[in-house]
Amino acid sequence: DSGVTQTPKHLITATGQRVTLRCSPRSGDLSVYWYQQSLDQGLQFLIQYYNGEERAKGNILERFSAQQFPDLHSELNLSSLELGDSALYFCASSPSEYTEAFFGQGTRLTVV
Amino acid sequence: AQKVTQAQTEISVVEKEDVTLDCVYETRDTTYYLFWYKQPPSGELVFLIRRNSFDEQNEISGRYSWNFQKSTSSFNFTITASQVVDSAVYFCALSQISSGSARQLTFGSGTQLTVLP
Repeated sequence: DSGVTQTPKHLITATGQRVTLRCSPRSGDLSVYWYQQSLDQGLQFLIQYYNGEERAKGNILERFSAQQFPDLHSELNLSSLELGDSALYFCASSPSEYTEAFFGQGTRLTVV
Repeated sequence: AQKVTQAQTEISVVEKEDVTLDCVYETRDTTYYLFWYKQPPSGELVFLIRRNSFDEQNEISGRYSWNFQKSTSSFNFTITASQVVDSAVYFCALSQISSGSARQLTFGSGTQLTVLP
């Protein structure tokens, strides 16, 4: 158990819908990362927050957004969902930006 | 731009055999981190090791060992006396260290290791 909690574990939704994925980082970790894992793209970095501020953006679509709250938990919002958004979404956290990231168990999103 | 290549898509070995997973990386940075993560069938990503680019010492942890060679831009991972529980997808990853740059991980495509009883 990495200490990073992601909810829900599984999510099935229809095209065009909006969903919110939630992440609670390890206690004390200030940095939160979101990654997407799909069969065709592999593991792709989406976005990073550090102590509430956005630090870096990767291959994140405009239909996707995220935020980190004062209690350091983070949410990833996915809207206007398409079939191609079906993937495993990971949250990871680390104490700083200079240490290894620990990953949650992921949320498996299926868009039908 | 950074890139991590894991040329071995799938490897299958019999239990107790040694196996080496290859990782080759590309980066323009002189300082960086290298990582290995394991993804068992249950799906979570498990951190195994982090190595700094300025520390080329090899590392051994139980049955696991890592060989970092900056001259060939490689960071290979060896499992000695493999066990069925080692069956998983293994990912090599790279991140920058330099200030002002994002610290996200660039992952390789992974190597599926199957250890047969």
